[in-house]
Amino acid sequence: DVRMTQSPSSLSASVGDRVTITCQASHDISNSLNWYQQRPGKAPNLLIFTASNLEAGVPSRFSGGGSGTHFTLTISSLQPEDIGTYYCQQYDNLPRTFGGGTRVEI
Amino acid sequence: QLQLQESGSRVVKPSQTLSLTCALSGGSISSGGYSWTWIRQPPGKGLEWIGYIYPTGSTSYSPSLRSRLTMSVDMSENQFSLNLSSVTAADTAVYYCARGRDTLDAWGPGILVTVSS
Repeated sequence: DVRMTQSPSSLSASVGDRVTITCQASHDISNSLNWYQQRPGKAPNLLIFTASNLEAGVPSRFSGGGSGTHFTLTISSLQPEDIGTYYCQQYDNLPRTFGGGTRVEI
Repeated sequence: QLQLQESGSRVVKPSQTLSLTCALSGGSISSGGYSWTWIRQPPGKGLEWIGYIYPTGSTSYSPSLRSRLTMSVDMSENQFSLNLSSVTAADTAVYYCARGRDTLDAWGPGILVTVSS
C-alpha cells in the first residue's frame, strides 16, 4: 500500500495567515493526489484534484502543488470557515489511501 | 444536483452483518461512467477506503476487508449497497458513500454504525 504521511497533524493560526500542509507519499504517485476538507461533523468535501486543480466552487485562496512523493496544500489567507481537518488521498495505486489528516484551528 | 444518502442499521451486534445502502437523487447511477465508493471513519479517527463498484458490478475492495465485504448495485432503484460480515467493535464508524473511483467529488452525509451487543 502507498503510505500517505501528512504534517503537521494539527496547527493553530490566525485569520489572514498563510497556511501550508504537507503530504508525503511512500512511493512515486506522479500527480495522482487529491485534497479534501472535512468541517466538524460533516462529510469530506473535495478541494483540489490531480494535485493542483481547484474543484469548482472552492475559493481561490486554496491551492495545491507538488508531484512524485511530495505535495502541498496552501491556504493563502486563512478564514474562520476554513477550520476543520484536511486529508490528502492518492489514487495512483490500489488500495486508495488517505493521509492521517491535519486539523486546522484558529 | 447529485445527492447521496446512506441508510441502514445503525446498531449491529458483533458477528452479524452490517448492511448499508446509498441512494442517489438528482442523477443516475448508470450515467457518466462513474464508479461508486464506500469510505469509513472510526470515531475521532481518519478516513479509510473500503472499496468501489461500477454499475456493471465490477468491484475493487480493500485487502483488509475483502474476505468480509460484498458490494452490489441496484440500477432499478438507483442505489448501491455494502454488506460487511462478521463485524466487531473495530467496524464501528461513520460510513460514507461517494461518487468516483479516483476522485470523490460528491459525498453522502454519512451514517454512524455502532457494533454493540
